[in-house]
Amino acid sequence: DAGVTQSPTHLIKTRGQQVTLRCSPKSGHDTVSWYQQALGQGPQFIFQYYEEEERQRGNFPDRFSGHQFPNYSSELNVNALLLGDSALYLCASSQGSEETQYFGPGTRLLVL
Amino acid sequence: AQSVTQPDIHITVSEGASLELRCNYSYGATPYLFWYVQSPGQGLQLLLKYFSGDTLVQGIKGFEAEFKRSQSSFNLRKPSVHWSDAAEYFCAVGDGGSQGNLIFGKGTKLSVKP
Repeated sequence: DAGVTQSPTHLIKTRGQQVTLRCSPKSGHDTVSWYQQALGQGPQFIFQYYEEEERQRGNFPDRFSGHQFPNYSSELNVNALLLGDSALYLCASSQGSEETQYFGPGTRLLVL
Repeated sequence: AQSVTQPDIHITVSEGASLELRCNYSYGATPYLFWYVQSPGQGLQLLLKYFSGDTLVQGIKGFEAEFKRSQSSFNLRKPSVHWSDAAEYFCAVGDGGSQGNLIFGKGTKLSVKP
């Protein structure tokens, strides 16, 4: 049973560029959440997708956007990258109303 | 607003010693509580969770946690630590009503002395 997968594992971008991160949920899961984990901090919630719509959003600017596809996979897009966007981006999946979220290995983004 | 506090940033214990990691939460209703572990450069692995019922919950790798409503705490324990337990541990609270996000503490880094 495949768990949550994310790609790429690492990414280096420069300020002002745009980036797309990808996530495939655990088999049988239909809900995807994205988190940002800055160095030395706990993960912070960005947004959650269910039935291809954004269901809930954390305190992140509009530069952060997402998408969910019919096969439940998801993308996180960040525009106009800032140095402060450097972080580990974690994807988590869950099933419907089930509270338990399972995390992927993350994508480490470095903005220079 | 919901919040999670992990008072200890870094804890060092000897291999074979017992462990307790503290977690306090602020939440108006009955919380959904989780402990996750993160090895260096890795994602988060679920150790255990509490939704309702028995306040002492068992998890993987020999960990357990006890929910104490009167103290707003959900401390993680292990009777005998192994060197492979060295990692960062995160406590989180979930809002069962909105089926939405998890709110995490800042984490406690565990080091294990041989």
